[in-house]
This record gives sequence, structure tokens and C-alpha cells, in this order.
Amino acid sequence: DQQVKQNSPSLSVQEGRISILNCDYTNSMFDYFLWYKKYPAEGPTFLISISSIKDKNEDGRFTVFLNKSAKHLSLHIVPSQPGDSAVYFCAARSTGSARQLTFGSGTQLTVLP
Amino acid sequence: DTGVSQNPRHKITKRGQNVTFRCDPISEHNRLYWYRQTLGQGPEFLTYFQNEAQLEKSRLLSDRFSAERPKGSFSTLEIQRTEQGDSAMYLCATAGESSYNSPLHFGNGTRLTVT
Repeated sequence: DQQVKQNSPSLSVQEGRISILNCDYTNSMFDYFLWYKKYPAEGPTFLISISSIKDKNEDGRFTVFLNKSAKHLSLHIVPSQPGDSAVYFCAARSTGSARQLTFGSGTQLTVLP
Repeated sequence: DTGVSQNPRHKITKRGQNVTFRCDPISEHNRLYWYRQTLGQGPEFLTYFQNEAQLEKSRLLSDRFSAERPKGSFSTLEIQRTEQGDSAMYLCATAGESSYNSPLHFGNGTRLTVT
């Protein structure tokens, strides 16, 4: 049972345009959401996060939106740059002592010059 | 480099052999996690340590897998009697307690290939 879903395995965007990556979750107990970026042969790198008490968080070119009623979050990258080409993972954190992350299957973003 | 360090980066082994991986966390990070990632999937949680105590294990962690963190610093993950299905990237991640919402910091992983 996949609790975090990224339904688009890949996305191509022109440089300078907006990239929108989507993520859906099913577990109502998730209280914190994160996006990680992963380049080949490297581990995931933390990008941006949002608490369940907020609906938007911005950090430079990156904005994460959370719609709790729809159990949906999205990552917006504006403007997209070729260096943004990577696999993006959505992750959600469970409450409880371990606070481990549950990851989606990732979306490969390609930004075309 | 003060990031999470994992060794080796790559390991090729024959089915039935035992393998051990090591993770050195960011200093002062008392939370340590092991994840496994297979092709086309996101990382899957295996186990969690707070300091030296192993507090949680996923049902993915069969009895052939064992993890330790003897002094609350580095951690090892051992797989006994490896099977081809164990082939994956094994990732270690750590976090501190400075904030309840502190994100996990991942190492670059150990890629295991079982032939």
C-alpha cells in the first residue's frame, strides 16, 4: 500500500518556465512533508519542507503548496534551470518516536536549455 | 567533509555471502536511519537508532539483516546469506534534535549487487 504517490515518473520543462511536481498521500497522520532532490550516484538532498499547519512555504525559486483536504502537495520551481534536472522525491513524516520518512517513487525532472 | 559518510560505495558479492556496510553520521546527530532504494522506487525505511538504541525496525528487515550502533556514533548494517533480491542502494540518514522538524541528511549510499 503506497502511502505517498508521485504519479508522474518524468517531466520535461523548458529553461525559464515553471516546473510543477505533484504528490498525493493517503495517511491522515502525516504531519510534515518534505521534498528531496537526487542526482545520479548521490544520496537525496533536502530541498524544502512544509508543516501540516501551513499551506505554503517558499525558499527562493522553490515553493511547496499543501492542500490537506485533498491530501495533495506540489513543488513549484520558478524559473527552472538546467541544473534543476534531477529526480525529485516527495516524502511525508509519521508522528511517533522514529519520525521516519515515507517516500514517493520520484519524478525525473529534465529542464531543457 | 562533514556530511554523512558511507562505505563502501559499491559492493559486489556472490549469493550466500555476508556483507557489512558502515555509516558515519554527521557529528552530534543522535538519530540514525537505514533505508533501501531499488530502481524506480523511493527510499524505503529499514530501521532507526536513537543514540545506541535501535528503536524501530521495518517488517522489510528480515532476520538476515542486522544493524548496530554500538557507541551511538557510527552504525553498521550486515546482511547474512545474501540473495539476489537484496541488490539495492542502501542509504544511511541522520538528524539532530535541534528541531523536531529537522530534516534527514542522507549519505551517498552503498550500492549492493548480488550475483
